[in-house]
Amino acid sequence: AQKVTQAQTEISVVEKEDVTLDCVYETRDTTYYLFWYKQPPSGELVFLIRRNSFDEQNEISGRYSWNFQKSTSSFNFTITASQVVDSAVYFCALAKDTGRRALTFGSGTRLQVQP
Amino acid sequence: ETGVTQTPRHLVMGMTNKKSLKCEQHLGHNAMYWYKQSAKKPLELMFVYSLEERVENNSVPSRFSPECPNSSHLFLHLHTLQPEDSALYLCASSQEGWGQGQETQYFGPGTRLLVL
Repeated sequence: AQKVTQAQTEISVVEKEDVTLDCVYETRDTTYYLFWYKQPPSGELVFLIRRNSFDEQNEISGRYSWNFQKSTSSFNFTITASQVVDSAVYFCALAKDTGRRALTFGSGTRLQVQP
Repeated sequence: ETGVTQTPRHLVMGMTNKKSLKCEQHLGHNAMYWYKQSAKKPLELMFVYSLEERVENNSVPSRFSPECPNSSHLFLHLHTLQPEDSALYLCASSQEGWGQGQETQYFGPGTRLLVL
């Protein structure tokens, strides 16, 4: 069975602080995909990144960076110099490489960035 | 319109009503999904349609009835719902390809449903 754990239910930071959102996953599959989505108050899930299990290179996109470590089954997300617009719920998700198409989501981390 | 759109955005219905949720994707994708997001549970998949054929049904009660008339449109027909069905219903789409692994799912804004 697959499982995604986001242990941080809620994080509050002040603007310009760096913040890391943790994601730990469990799977028996040797190949799989990991995702991060952002859900602002409007409700829409906004896709941020997709990473397959073969690619452990860290990725940076502007103020966002992701640290994928297979050895610890973690896929952490860091926002550098946070802004008020980053306030949202962030979900980490896991999917099989083939077969069942469902995304297994974590319970989400609510990030509040105070001005 | 771009991306994935959903209507209505908000819906209040009684337990004896019949209503439908609509999803439309403008991305040229060939797979569509319904997810349910309730306050006390993680996001959970309800149905998957691939090339207009239902390929997954996650033990969803029969009071939810999906319909996919073409690859761009997906409906969720609701009848005799219960208060515990109140939730945010999210539609998503993706482009499935052969041997390309799990493709990214793109989500709509959701329909916030309240059952009284």
